Amino acid sequence: ETGVTQTPRHLVMGMTNKKSLKCEQHLGHNAMYWYKQSAKKPLELMFVYSLEERVENNSVPSRFSPECPNSSHLFLHLHTLQPEDSALYLCASSQDVTGGGNTIYFGEGSWLTVV
Amino acid sequence: AQSVTQLDSQVPVFEEAPVELRCNYSSSVSVYLFWYVQYPNQGLQLLLKYLSGSTLVKGINGFEAEFNKSQTSFHLRKPSVHISDTAEYFCAVSETGGYQKVTFGTGTKLQVIP
Repeated sequence: ETGVTQTPRHLVMGMTNKKSLKCEQHLGHNAMYWYKQSAKKPLELMFVYSLEERVENNSVPSRFSPECPNSSHLFLHLHTLQPEDSALYLCASSQDVTGGGNTIYFGEGSWLTVV
Repeated sequence: AQSVTQLDSQVPVFEEAPVELRCNYSSSVSVYLFWYVQYPNQGLQLLLKYLSGSTLVKGINGFEAEFNKSQTSFHLRKPSVHISDTAEYFCAVSETGGYQKVTFGTGTKLQVIP
């Protein structure tokens, strides 16, 4: 199995729908992340979890709601999204959040289209 | 605050030619530096990273990068590229110690021409 697995790979949703993105890491890491990747923009860090506790929320709109039930699983719940939220959402993990030199391991991403 | 600049959004290069992808950073404290690669329809994976020690860092697939503190640069090089190197390359920086917050550049698309 790959280190970080994301489902679904592609998602099309209307602005009034509620959906969720799922991420699972098989690396035994303590930290998990959600990033947003849009064309011609740097990766945007959305949320950081360390040992299931949220340690960062980068001014993300409340229509994005993360959930980390354990250190291996991370969800991103989506509701009443806007078309500008269409992007590639990347889940990632690292051994720890501290130290600054940890390698970040990414999943293949979930392509989200809001119509 | 830290920042990363990748001035070249696209770099076309012929197969077997050398390539250099430029990265400059800005930070008020010591940093760690990374290069990640993203192949089509995939997530990012680490190519190489500089934490300390030798300023010349070797990574996977024949890539290397040199940390130049005076010029605040961390350029990525490969002496001879292959078609399979076609991908997007991201430079990233994080501050040493403390909490892990990585800042990514906007990426450089390397197009290898047969």
